[in-house]
Amino acid sequence: DAGITQSPRYKITETGRQVTLMCHQTWSHSYMFWYRQDLGHGLRLIYYSAAADITDKGEVPDGYVVSRSKTENFPLTLESATRSQTSVYFCASTEQKIGTQYFGPGTRLLVL
Amino acid sequence: AQKVTQAQTEISVVEKEDVTLDCVYETRDTTYYLFWYKQPPSGELVFLIRRNSFDEQNEISGRYSWNFQKSTSSFNFTITASQVVDSAVYFCALSEDYKLSFGAGTTVTVRA
Repeated sequence: DAGITQSPRYKITETGRQVTLMCHQTWSHSYMFWYRQDLGHGLRLIYYSAAADITDKGEVPDGYVVSRSKTENFPLTLESATRSQTSVYFCASTEQKIGTQYFGPGTRLLVL
Repeated sequence: AQKVTQAQTEISVVEKEDVTLDCVYETRDTTYYLFWYKQPPSGELVFLIRRNSFDEQNEISGRYSWNFQKSTSSFNFTITASQVVDSAVYFCALSEDYKLSFGAGTTVTVRA
């Protein structure tokens, strides 16, 4: 199906482990984003990408790494997971710099 | 600094009542976009509406209506004749560039 998908939908990991969250969109949107959603903080931007091989930090980038070798994929890696990274992660994409962002279904990550 | 303020944390209504969600934003830009998203209990983020800063016309879509007033920096959302399926968290968001700044959200509970 067309749209934006995330995998896995649920993940439990342990402190110190590396975790990669995947995001794939079929619209060929140039811009892609990663957000985390936490109680009391709403949605906060982690990283964004304007095109393949172009990425930049958002509001809360520490502890995360992104890459974008292909337009349709935008993986988010937690290099060494910490409990504070327990959250719901949303990927989003848009075709224009200032445009409607469409969100994936989210990944619930629990770091023990 | 908070760019989007949703002062109402929770609203509870009985089915068929109208409910209005307040959103106040802060920006120095003359060109910006405002959005409303819905997050039902299932967790996904659903786009509802986008409005640009030059278009102050109110909009109605079925039971949903939006009132944009630049003079008061507000973009309020009304659900008319609410239904149980309207129960969700509603987010107002501001886009001045590629970044989307979300309000904290208002939880709407519609009781049968």
